[in-house]
Amino acid sequence: GAVVSQHPSWVICKSGTSVKIECRSLDFQATTMFWYRQFPKQSLMLMATSNEGSKATYEQGVEKDKFLINHASLTLSTLTVTSAHPEDSSFYICSASPNNYGYTFGSGTRLTVV
Amino acid sequence: EDQVTQSPEALRLQEGESSSLNCSYTVSGLRGLFWYRQDPGKGPEFLFTLYSAGEEKEKERLKATLTKKESFLHITAPKPEDSATYLCAVQAGGNNDMRFGAGTRLTVKP
Repeated sequence: GAVVSQHPSWVICKSGTSVKIECRSLDFQATTMFWYRQFPKQSLMLMATSNEGSKATYEQGVEKDKFLINHASLTLSTLTVTSAHPEDSSFYICSASPNNYGYTFGSGTRLTVV
Repeated sequence: EDQVTQSPEALRLQEGESSSLNCSYTVSGLRGLFWYRQDPGKGPEFLFTLYSAGEEKEKERLKATLTKKESFLHITAPKPEDSATYLCAVQAGGNNDMRFGAGTRLTVKP
């Protein structure tokens, strides 16, 4: 149980375009999902907390206008990287839990901006 | 501010050479300490959750322990397939999110 699916697993986009990443909880409902960013050989840094039916909560230093989060249902959260630039290239990972303990992570999305 | 520090940063072992990874934490109101394994290019895979000092959990060659200040992940007779980055994370206070340590990159040579 507690499966989180993330899509796409990798994406290449041109500078200035936007990219949407989806995170789905497959066998449970998630009122809260978390979005992390990971640079090579570094740990996961929390970007934002996605709340179903309300605005996301962003960590300090994360641009909310660049990283748009939508959590329109209890099983889906999306992260849109707007006007992407090469420095946005990274590994983005979402997580969720059916009970706010023991979080399950998606498989991650490798974003490359060229 | 909550802090999670993992050591060593990297560890190279020979197959069968047991060792331990350390996770030190400074948090207010620990709700849970988590260990994950992460393979390159993949999301973290859940290993253990520890909730209170003195608690221990085991899974195959791995054993996790917890004190009031730190957690250890003991690896007994490791195999090459145990090579991965091991991440420690804490959940504390009223927050539902997790804060991660920098991880330990484990390499087990045959």
